[in-house]
Amino acid sequence: NAGVTQTPKFQVLKTGQSMTLQCAQDMNHNSMYWYRQDPGMGLRLIYYSASEGTTDKGEVPNGYNVSRLNKREFSLRLESAAPSQTSVYFCASSGSQHFGDGTRLSIL
Amino acid sequence: GENVEQHPSTLSVQEGDSAVIKCTYSDSASNYFPWYKQELGKGPQLIIDIRSNVGEKKDQRIAVTLNKTAKHFSLHITETQPEDSAVYFCAASATAGNKLTFGGGTRVLVKP
Repeated sequence: NAGVTQTPKFQVLKTGQSMTLQCAQDMNHNSMYWYRQDPGMGLRLIYYSASEGTTDKGEVPNGYNVSRLNKREFSLRLESAAPSQTSVYFCASSGSQHFGDGTRLSIL
Repeated sequence: GENVEQHPSTLSVQEGDSAVIKCTYSDSASNYFPWYKQELGKGPQLIIDIRSNVGEKKDQRIAVTLNKTAKHFSLHITETQPEDSAVYFCAASATAGNKLTFGGGTRVLVKP
């Protein structure tokens, strides 16, 4: 039972490049979430999906898009990466929010 | 929207002593308050939670208290051990499984 799996674990991009962060959960949860974690700022919600087929903006959605592909998978896309998007990204699924181990993203 | 403030930002304690972390929230509709422990290189992991119909909850060396009137809740760790060293986050939401608003985190260091 893997829980929440995020890929990749690390990535370095150049400004303007695009990228999709992948997240999959095997706990049959309805809700899934994307957060970013920056030093001293805790976790901030980017987007969430309350159920398959629905997505909603969180606190910091600008510069991101999401896709809830099916009940298991929820991806986060950066269309044109900016240095301000350098962060650690966490995916979580509902219940008491089970988190993956994160994607560490650096944008040069 | 909800705002959660967490104090202190860093906490250093001697092994065996107690550690207390406090959080305040702004939205009186919040009724679910989880606490997470995050170790280096890992995602946050739920360690204890409390709902608004309960004032206190314990799980071995960890306890959480909630004061809904004052809108604050606290995490208490007794008999601290080096493995308790981590970053701890509080959070609040209107219901379990709903959107969470997180505090800024507390880095706890337990000195042997």
